[in-house]
Amino acid sequence: DGGITQSPKYLFRKEGQNVTLSCEQNLNHDAMYWYRQDPGQGLRLIYYSQIVNDFQKGDIAEGYSVSREKKESFPLTVTSAQKNPTAFYLCASSPKGGGVFYGYTFGSGTRLTVV
Amino acid sequence: KNQVEQSPQSLIILEGKNCTLQCNYTVSPFSNLRWYKQDTGRGPVSLTIMTFSENTKSNGRYTATLDADTKQSSLHITASQLSDSASYICVVSHSYGGATNKLIFGTGTLLAVQP
Repeated sequence: DGGITQSPKYLFRKEGQNVTLSCEQNLNHDAMYWYRQDPGQGLRLIYYSQIVNDFQKGDIAEGYSVSREKKESFPLTVTSAQKNPTAFYLCASSPKGGGVFYGYTFGSGTRLTVV
Repeated sequence: KNQVEQSPQSLIILEGKNCTLQCNYTVSPFSNLRWYKQDTGRGPVSLTIMTFSENTKSNGRYTATLDADTKQSSLHITASQLSDSASYICVVSHSYGGATNKLIFGTGTLLAVQP
């Protein structure tokens, strides 16, 4: 079945440590996105990519980095520069054009906790 | 400012009862409006997508309405089931040229269906 796979489901980060969240899709979607979800807030866009080897900053990109070397993969690195990384991270994908008439498909999320 | 506001924040209903969730938005220019269901600890799943010319769209027991003039939408759930317990998120797509869209997320309504 086609879909988006995020791993790991739970991740613990020590202070000053970089961690990478995996996102893989087999939907043949051109665009991929990373969102952050905090309690009581709507999803906020971190980074997005509309084509391989190209990506753009979203609303809260500081302290995060991404790469898009393959169409299927869009990993997110949470760097030590991100001062409040504890959150639920969601990866999504859509057909080219941001899904004007199509829904976004979301992964099942990664819960990151700073210890 | 582009915003999406949902009400109520939370709702408890008995199994078999109907309920209606509200969404007001100030997003302009408007492209489309989506309702998502998010189970706890999971990614959102699309229920409906409506463009400005659509007034009503159904997906099983879920019926969404849209009034583009008053910038209001509602999601009606009929004959609720325990599995309907989830957060329901209203998402408005902000069109800013060509096929590019940005999604503005509401904070969601947390629905609990009790036996």
